[in-house]
Amino acid sequence: AQKVTQAQTEISVVEKEDVTLDCVYETRDTTYYLFWYKQPPSGELVFLIRRNSFDEQNEISGRYSWNFQKSTSSFNFTITASQVVDSAVYFCALSEAFGNQGGKLIFGQGTELSVKP
Amino acid sequence: DTEVTQTPKHLVMGMTNKKSLKCEQHMGHRAMYWYKQKAKKPPELMFVYSYEKLSINESVPSRFSPECPNSSLLNLHLHALQPEDSALYLCASRNQLAGGTDTQYFGPGTRLTVL
Repeated sequence: AQKVTQAQTEISVVEKEDVTLDCVYETRDTTYYLFWYKQPPSGELVFLIRRNSFDEQNEISGRYSWNFQKSTSSFNFTITASQVVDSAVYFCALSEAFGNQGGKLIFGQGTELSVKP
Repeated sequence: DTEVTQTPKHLVMGMTNKKSLKCEQHMGHRAMYWYKQKAKKPPELMFVYSYEKLSINESVPSRFSPECPNSSLLNLHLHALQPEDSALYLCASRNQLAGGTDTQYFGPGTRLTVL
């Protein structure tokens, strides 16, 4: 069965601190996709990144970076020099690549990040 | 443009009311989704439409009735809801590439309160 674990329920940091959000996944599929979404208080889920299981290159986008390690089944997300606007709930999600599940997303429980000025 | 729109933003209804939620996308996506999200929880999949046909129903009670009139529009008809159905209802769409997957893009949601 597929599963995503975000062990950190809440994280609180002070502005300009770096913060890493952990994500560990389980799947028997050899081909799958991993996602991160941000959900600010307004409610909309904002897509941040998609990674397929064959691409273990780390990615950097501005202050955001992602570390994908198949050996440890982890897909961690780091925010460098955090800002108050980064305060949100962040979800890691897993999706199978093929099959009849309609691209179903398996979400972790989410990590609520609070960045204080 | 990766925009999915949802109306209304907020909805308050009584248990005997009938109301509808609307979702629209103009990205040419052929898969559309309804999710329900309770506070402090991840979204839970309710329905998936693929090429305007219902492909997945995650054992949702019949008081929720989805409809996909065309490839851009997805409705969720609500009837005789219970207070525990109060939640954020999110719509999403996906390109549904053959032989693979693509990203689901979400709308801003409708916050539903059932009195």
